[in-house]
Amino acid sequence: QKEVEQDPGPLSVPEGAIVSLNCTYSNSAFQYFMWYRQYSRKGPELLMYTYSSGNKEDGRFTAQVDKSSKYISLFIRDSQPSDSATYLCAMSGPSTQGGSEKLVFGKGTKLTVNP
Amino acid sequence: DTEVTQTPKHLVMGMTNKKSLKCEQHMGHRAMYWYKQKAKKPPELMFVYSYEKLSINESVPSRFSPECPNSSLLNLHLHALQPEDSALYLCASSSSGGADTQYFGPGTRLTVL
Repeated sequence: QKEVEQDPGPLSVPEGAIVSLNCTYSNSAFQYFMWYRQYSRKGPELLMYTYSSGNKEDGRFTAQVDKSSKYISLFIRDSQPSDSATYLCAMSGPSTQGGSEKLVFGKGTKLTVNP
Repeated sequence: DTEVTQTPKHLVMGMTNKKSLKCEQHMGHRAMYWYKQKAKKPPELMFVYSYEKLSINESVPSRFSPECPNSSLLNLHLHALQPEDSALYLCASSSSGGADTQYFGPGTRLTVL
């Protein structure tokens, strides 16, 4: 079983739809949970981050972490064509190498929002 | 300011060339990272510098040589690369190198001929 599982899609929705993106993970030691948005041929942009369990909201974006189920979600409300990108989940936890942490990424979900 | 800058944006090099990629951040972060990303794949960690010391080296071939001159700068020296090394090279930084968030630069698109 991979440490982080993410459906690569592609996911295509009409403008204005609510989008739900999800990742599951197996390592219960993960503490930080992040969502990155990556436009084609650009670097990943940090969108949301959550420490431990709970919800976090920022404008049209809501991140949820359920540590008991090892499941994280990103919701996008009123989706726009400019939201079309690849969304990567990432997480980190206690290190095994000299105190430095490794981010473990999902494969990324490619989202297209159609006007 | 959460900006990580990288130069150059694009680089084309032959297999016998020597070149360097540069990364800079002014957020006071003490950990900096190099990642390699192939098309339609997530970033793969190459190196981590924490407090200017190399703390993670993911068994990367010696034709890639990282250098951290100070806490704001990170270089990646390239020599005798192979065509399969063509990829997007990403730099990132984080506050301490612990379990905290990483901020990525825009990347250098490298093509090896």
